[in-house]
Amino acid sequence: DAGVTQSPTHLIKTRGQHVTLRCSPISGHKSVSWYQQVLGQGPQFIFQYYEKEERGRGNFPDRFSARQFPNYSSELNVNALLLGDSALYLCASSLAGYTYEQYFGPGTRLTVT
Amino acid sequence: SQQGEEDPQALSIQEGENATMNCSYKTSINNLQWYRQNSGRGLVHLILIRSNEREKHSGRLRVTLDTSKKSSSLLITASRAADTASYFCATINAGNMLTFGGGTRLMVKP
Repeated sequence: DAGVTQSPTHLIKTRGQHVTLRCSPISGHKSVSWYQQVLGQGPQFIFQYYEKEERGRGNFPDRFSARQFPNYSSELNVNALLLGDSALYLCASSLAGYTYEQYFGPGTRLTVT
Repeated sequence: SQQGEEDPQALSIQEGENATMNCSYKTSINNLQWYRQNSGRGLVHLILIRSNEREKHSGRLRVTLDTSKKSSSLLITASRAADTASYFCATINAGNMLTFGGGTRLMVKP
């Protein structure tokens, strides 16, 4: 079975622009979570979606939004990009909620200039 | 903010030696998980230990959990160069959020 896939792999954007990151979970997994990992730090939780509903939100501004589609894939949107949004964005899927192990994708490296 | 804090932040050992990493957390948890990350890419789940468990083994990995001290340790025995990576603990709290620590960067020299 294919693992979690994310696209694009790398992305360079200019301050103020908007970005959409995409994630496809492992087949059969209904939960998708998004994390931001700044260089040298651990991942920070952004969102969790389960069965197309938001189940959790981390301490991120409203510029960050996400959604989950009927096929359980997900998009993370970030508006009005700031230099500080430069990071590795990780998507993880799991069978249900957090009590299960998370399967991570390779990430999208976003650079904001 | 990060719930868990790993100690040490960096560890360098020779191949064949054991590596021990510690994690402390602040609030009560449902379970604690350890993950490995190679070269800033995706994380790989290593082991999950529930709050009512005290020790768990998986191959060369041994994890302990002390809920009274709010701490966990990860022991990698007979380390190999391929174990070089960053290791993170992550906790699940009552709010069902997965919160990671800052990680331990392990280097195993051949």
